[in-house]
Amino acid sequence: EDKVVQSPLSLVVHEGDTVTLNCSYEVTNFRSLLWYKQEKKAPTFLFMLTSSGIEKKSGRLSSILDKKELFSILNITATQTGDSAVYLCAVAQGGSEKLVFGKGTKLTVNP
Amino acid sequence: DVKVTQSSRYLVKRTGEKVFLECVQDMDHENMFWYRQDPGLGLRLIYFSYDVKMKEKGDIPEGYSVSREKKERFSLILESASTNQTSMYLCASSSPGRAGTYEQYFGPGTRLTVT
Repeated sequence: EDKVVQSPLSLVVHEGDTVTLNCSYEVTNFRSLLWYKQEKKAPTFLFMLTSSGIEKKSGRLSSILDKKELFSILNITATQTGDSAVYLCAVAQGGSEKLVFGKGTKLTVNP
Repeated sequence: DVKVTQSSRYLVKRTGEKVFLECVQDMDHENMFWYRQDPGLGLRLIYFSYDVKMKEKGDIPEGYSVSREKKERFSLILESASTNQTSMYLCASSSPGRAGTYEQYFGPGTRLTVT
């Protein structure tokens, strides 16, 4: 059975801390891994990773994929209260239009 | 910007009622999806559609049906609402993955309460 596992399930940090969110996967015919941020409403797209070892970066957020070890990490440096959200990891498979989602990591950043 | 809209943000219905949740996207996407999201269970796929009048069951289709008569609109139907269908419902759309992109664009969600 295809699965995507995120850890930790929840995390509480203080503003300015650096956090690392983990996503491991076991899926057939892997194509890409996607990260989303979900605040109170719709998940919004952050990154799509297809190749191992190439870091994607957007401001204080960065992500990298390891296709040999079947995982990805999402790093957030100098966290702010606005980073508080659920972060979702999803995997796209060849031959399917669906995404396989993990259960998410709930990040709380306290002032 | 891709826009996915859902007909209601909050909805309260009684057990046994027929419920329609509507989703509209404006990017001419072929694929549309319905998920429900519950604490501790994450996003679970109910149904998806890859073309007008085409549909496929997701992981939890029981108690739900769907309709896609026009490309931009995908409806989720609860034939006889039950309390265990109280949840957040999210609609999403995407272009076919063969184009190299797999990103799904989500609507704002409908929080349905069945009493």
